[in-house]
Amino acid sequence: SQKIEQNSEALNIQEGKTATLTCNYTNYSPAYLQWYRQDPGRGPVFLLLIRENEKEKRKERLKVTFDTTLKQSLFHITASQPADSATYLCALYNQGGKLIFGQGTELSVKP
Amino acid sequence: GAGVSQSPSNKVTEKGKDVELRCDPISGHTALYWYRQSLGQGLEFLIYFQGNSAPDKSGLPSDRFSAERTGGSVSTLTIQRTQQEDSAVYLCASSQGDFQETQYFGPGTRLLVL
Repeated sequence: SQKIEQNSEALNIQEGKTATLTCNYTNYSPAYLQWYRQDPGRGPVFLLLIRENEKEKRKERLKVTFDTTLKQSLFHITASQPADSATYLCALYNQGGKLIFGQGTELSVKP
Repeated sequence: GAGVSQSPSNKVTEKGKDVELRCDPISGHTALYWYRQSLGQGLEFLIYFQGNSAPDKSGLPSDRFSAERTGGSVSTLTIQRTQQEDSAVYLCASSQGDFQETQYFGPGTRLLVL
């Protein structure tokens, strides 16, 4: 069956450290992956998109990798800040399909 | 408007009643999507409108759910004879093109069915 999975357990890290969130998928051949941030009581906000032919994409303190062999995307936040605390969702676009979302990983950055 | 808006922000209803949820997309966006997010779950696709094409209703969980989009802009999601399992946050998003474009989400409508 097709699945997209993110760490269900919340990730707690210290301010200034690098946060790494994982998104794994099975039985999909995504053309690209997107990462979204969702704050409590709000809708998701788009952060980054990485295509299947790209290994890595950066935006300020954010870095996303995409390994189509491992069927995995990693989302990194360097020099994390308490304001980065939120739930992060990955979403993949399957060829000819729709945007499929993971359940999200909650990140908590402690000062 | 500056972003996608949804109304109401919260809705409490009794089991068996009908509810209507409204979405105002970003002006000029041709695509509009409805998703459902239950506690601790990912976003579940419900329905997709693209321009004047027939909507993709493949995600609607039952025939109690329906949606329409008038004039290529505002959309209404209707849930008839609500059940307790319909309680969730209903999110609307819009984009300039199809699923390959970035989606902009509204704040959601929190529906509680008692």
